Amino acid sequence: EAGVVQSPRYKIIEKKQPVAFWCNPISGHNTLYWYRQNLGQGPELLIRYENEEAVDDSQLPKDRFSAERLKGVDSTLKIQPAELGDSAVYLCASSSGNRVRNSETQYFGPGTRLLVL
Amino acid sequence: AQKVTQAQTEISVVEKEDVTLDCVYETRDTTYYLFWYKQPPSGELVFLIRRNSFDEQNEISGRYSWNFQKSTSSFNFTITASQVVDSAVYFCALSLVFGKGTRLSVIA
Repeated sequence: EAGVVQSPRYKIIEKKQPVAFWCNPISGHNTLYWYRQNLGQGPELLIRYENEEAVDDSQLPKDRFSAERLKGVDSTLKIQPAELGDSAVYLCASSSGNRVRNSETQYFGPGTRLLVL
Repeated sequence: AQKVTQAQTEISVVEKEDVTLDCVYETRDTTYYLFWYKQPPSGELVFLIRRNSFDEQNEISGRYSWNFQKSTSSFNFTITASQVVDSAVYFCALSLVFGKGTRLSVIA
């Protein structure tokens, strides 16, 4: 079974430029998560989707970040414009969505490492 | 608010030594779920274990074991006879809240 796929793996941009990350979850997984992981820190949740609905986006900086999950499968996370402080690894994870909320095992992709110059 | 503390930032051990990674959590929920993940140098977090708050039985999986104690809000992880391949960053999580991780280096 294929795991969570993310692209690109690496991205270098200049500040104020836009950037987008793509995630394809494990087939059949209804719940999708985007995390940001700063250097030396643990992942921090940005947004969680159940199917197409964003059920928790309280930590998403909405002035510059946006996300979508059309058709409840693939998802895109966008930053516009990027700032120096956005340099981090952006992780996507998915879970089956069949258990009690927040109880599920998450399966993570390899992440996108973003460097903003 | 939920919080996870992994007080050990970095640990170095010599191969074949046992090592315990500490995890202390805070929550007001009576039902909650704890996890451990491994993040090798490749960067992808790998699931190790899931435990709910009603199951305080310790678990052993090969060289890995976990000690869950509700009385002290701890969920510690022990690797027995460590190997170089165990070198990674290990994260404890309380549902979707992660600790800062412990970097384990196993030296041959």
